[in-house]
Amino acid sequence: DTGVSQDPRHKITKRGQNVTFRCDPISEHNRLYWYRQTLGQGPEFLTYFQNEAQLEKSRLLSDRFSAERPKGSFSTLEIQRTEQGDSAMYLCASSLAGQGPSINDYGYTFGSGTRLTVV
Amino acid sequence: SQQGEEDPQALSIQEGENATMNCSYKTSINNLQWYRQNSGRGLVHLILIRSNEREKHSGRLRVTLDTSKKSSSLLITASRAADTASYFCATDPGTYKYIFGTGTRLKVLA
Repeated sequence: DTGVSQDPRHKITKRGQNVTFRCDPISEHNRLYWYRQTLGQGPEFLTYFQNEAQLEKSRLLSDRFSAERPKGSFSTLEIQRTEQGDSAMYLCASSLAGQGPSINDYGYTFGSGTRLTVV
Repeated sequence: SQQGEEDPQALSIQEGENATMNCSYKTSINNLQWYRQNSGRGLVHLILIRSNEREKHSGRLRVTLDTSKKSSSLLITASRAADTASYFCATDPGTYKYIFGTGTRLKVLA
């Protein structure tokens, strides 16, 4: 499979529970991004990794959120003590980029997302 | 926060007609991209236009960029029912990440 895989596709959880999502990027891509998308809105940046280093976190990422990318391969996004406001689609994307800020000509390759519903 | 705003928010056209959607953004950019998202799915990259380009074509897609007005447009010619989706612009302001707009929901009626 040469695409970006996200697991699970759907997650329903009770408020207060912890959840963890996984993203497997395209193997040769060195950058990995997490975005959150609510209904009717565009994706909002959460965090990104260059290889295994987490280089930026959005203010949207409260201390209940943590992301890791061990060994620069797959990534996990964990939400602790979920709240109803966390209900959203969580999108992972990867890209191959150089050392500078700009991303390559081919943009992101997105996964299909994990839809989280907190009840 | 979102940098771009698409206009219109929703567009409904007949199959075979052209669809035009616009994107306005706030800061200077290195490039601008357009993505398509089918309902409940991830986004698919359509086309990139660099800040020193004014127009770019890819199949039935035509993108223009006016950096003086901080705006871009996406034209889909001879639309098909399969073009029904949400379309997002995304800007690269040189901060290692893309910033997405609010999207245009396009419905093409057969």
